[in-house]
Amino acid sequence: GNSVTQMEGPVTLSEEAFLTINCTYTATGYPSLFWYVQYPGEGLQLLLKATKADDKGSNKGFEATYRKETTSFHLEKGSVQVSDSAVYFCALSDSGGSNYKLTFGKGTLLTVNP
Amino acid sequence: DSGVTQTPKHLITATGQRVTLRCSPRSGDLSVYWYQQSLDQGLQFLIHYYNGEERAKGNILERFSAQQFPDLHSELNLSSLELGDSALYFCASSEGTFSYEQYFGPGTRLTVT
Repeated sequence: GNSVTQMEGPVTLSEEAFLTINCTYTATGYPSLFWYVQYPGEGLQLLLKATKADDKGSNKGFEATYRKETTSFHLEKGSVQVSDSAVYFCALSDSGGSNYKLTFGKGTLLTVNP
Repeated sequence: DSGVTQTPKHLITATGQRVTLRCSPRSGDLSVYWYQQSLDQGLQFLIHYYNGEERAKGNILERFSAQQFPDLHSELNLSSLELGDSALYFCASSEGTFSYEQYFGPGTRLTVT
């Protein structure tokens, strides 16, 4: 079955530091890959996505590249802000017919200190 | 604001009881997905409806059921509740079956005492 493995947290950084959160996946088909962000007390928000190999998703300074050869989709940001503190989830969607359910990693808590 | 609404925001109930969680998808979205978020299991897919029809089931207990109504809102029914059912329940909607992007509601936090 499909699975997503992302780095264990928590991750604590100082403002303006470089961020990497590793994510690898296992899928039977050709999945689409996503990063979702969950701020305290809120639902999940789609941060970025990539639907095929070598696609780069980007949003709000965050980037991730779909690497089929290494089955990875690592999240990066060059300079984090305090407002980026949240839980980040890597996820994949594999059609499996007509159902595009999401399979999530366990989440990585990021805390950015001023 | 994703455009997906869920009610209630919080629910506290006792073991053995039954509750109904409600979700209204974004305007125009035909697909509704339900997910459970718990500390030990993480985020898990429960069930998917498209335009009133069940399309797929995930790790959904037999005590749980769902439906999607003609106006496209969906309800998740949880019965014979156990302490372990305490979790955040999210619904998400997307345009159709062939749409990758899902938009999540704010969730319903269920506490079973």
